[in-house]
Amino acid sequence: EAGVTQFPSHSVIEKGQTVTLRCDPISGHDNLYWYRRVMGKEIKFLLHFVKESKQDESGMPNNRFLAERTGGTYSTLKVQPAELEDSGVYFCASSQERKGLGEQYFGPGTRLTVT
Amino acid sequence: AQSVTQLGSHVSVSEGALVLLRCNYSSSVPPYLFWYVQYPNQGLQLLLKYTSAATLVKGINGFEAEFKKSETSFHLTKPSAHMSDAAEYFCAVSDPFGNEKLTFGTGTRLTIIP
Repeated sequence: EAGVTQFPSHSVIEKGQTVTLRCDPISGHDNLYWYRRVMGKEIKFLLHFVKESKQDESGMPNNRFLAERTGGTYSTLKVQPAELEDSGVYFCASSQERKGLGEQYFGPGTRLTVT
Repeated sequence: AQSVTQLGSHVSVSEGALVLLRCNYSSSVPPYLFWYVQYPNQGLQLLLKYTSAATLVKGINGFEAEFKKSETSFHLTKPSAHMSDAAEYFCAVSDPFGNEKLTFGTGTRLTIIP
């Protein structure tokens, strides 16, 4: 069984540019989460999809971040325009069960550097 | 609101020695608690979880953790460290009655001294 995959693994962009991160969850997992870790700090929740619907987007920093999940399969996270403080590692996770009982399986992350 | 505090951003132990990584949580409801491990260039992997069953939880690779409500703690231990245990460890909490999102601590990087 393939795990959660993320693309790209690294991205270096200039301030003001646009970047799109992609996450492919484990097949059959309805729940998809995005998290972010800014250097030296904790991993923070960004948002949660159940199938194609946004269940909770309370962690999204601002309206420069746009997440989508087409057809309830893969998800993209677009940052437009990118700012210096957006640098960090973006993790995607997926799970099958609800109510916190299901293990969240994490991808390797995308390291985003905004210069 | 929930929060997690991990004491010690870096911990070093000798190979064969006891591993103890500390985690304290704050939650207004009985929480679910998790320990994840991240090896270099890999995603986070679940070590173990507490979901209101037995307070002593055994996980993979010989790790275990004990939920102590009176101390609001969920410390991770392993009796004998192995070189392959070198990684970063994250404690996390979730609200079983609300969203499934995880709230993480800042992580502890474990170094094993040969």
